[in-house]
Amino acid sequence: AQSVTQLDSQVPVFEEAPVELRCNYSSSVSVYLFWYVQYPNQGLQLLLKYLSGSTLVKGINGFEAEFNKSQTSFHLRKPSVHISDTAEYFCAVTLLGIQGAQKLVFGQGTRLTINP
Amino acid sequence: KAGVTQTPRYLIKTRGQQVTLSCSPISGHRSVSWYQQTPGQGLQFLFEYFSETQRNKGNFPGRFSGRQFSNSRSEMNVSTLELGDSALYLCASSLGTSVHEQYFGPGTRLTVT
Repeated sequence: AQSVTQLDSQVPVFEEAPVELRCNYSSSVSVYLFWYVQYPNQGLQLLLKYLSGSTLVKGINGFEAEFNKSQTSFHLRKPSVHISDTAEYFCAVTLLGIQGAQKLVFGQGTRLTINP
Repeated sequence: KAGVTQTPRYLIKTRGQQVTLSCSPISGHRSVSWYQQTPGQGLQFLFEYFSETQRNKGNFPGRFSGRQFSNSRSEMNVSTLELGDSALYLCASSLGTSVHEQYFGPGTRLTVT
């Protein structure tokens, strides 16, 4: 079975500082990897996804993530954060090609707090 | 294009009652998935429907059920509500394969008293 571990439940950083949110996954089969963001009282919005190809994936709002197969990691980074990045971030995996069925397995989330 | 809509946004029910939540996917999307979000358990997959068929199911008791209509709209039902069913229920729609992004609605906040 697949599982996702987000190594930090909370990450406080100062505005304009860089940030890395860590995500490790376990799976016996190939997976697709996603990062979602959830702002207060809202649903989830996709930041970026890794399906195949280049291991460095660029997403919206200046975020990027690097897929590392040997370390089974998919860490999210941003070189300079803004107050508006304050939100909860979720790493997720989904199975490849099981009759096309979709099932996202999420990590527990990382609450990113940006301080002025 | 209009996004995923969920109704109602907020709901308060009493233990033992049943509840039905509704989800309208993005036009053209045939897959609808449901997730439960709680502070303790996080985001957990309930089930996925594609072209009116349940294609995937999570580890929830039979009190949780769903269906999908021919227009891709979906409902989920929870019978005999328990306090632990209090959660944010999120619906997501997509074109229907693993490579396709799931678009999430704002959720229905269910409180069971």
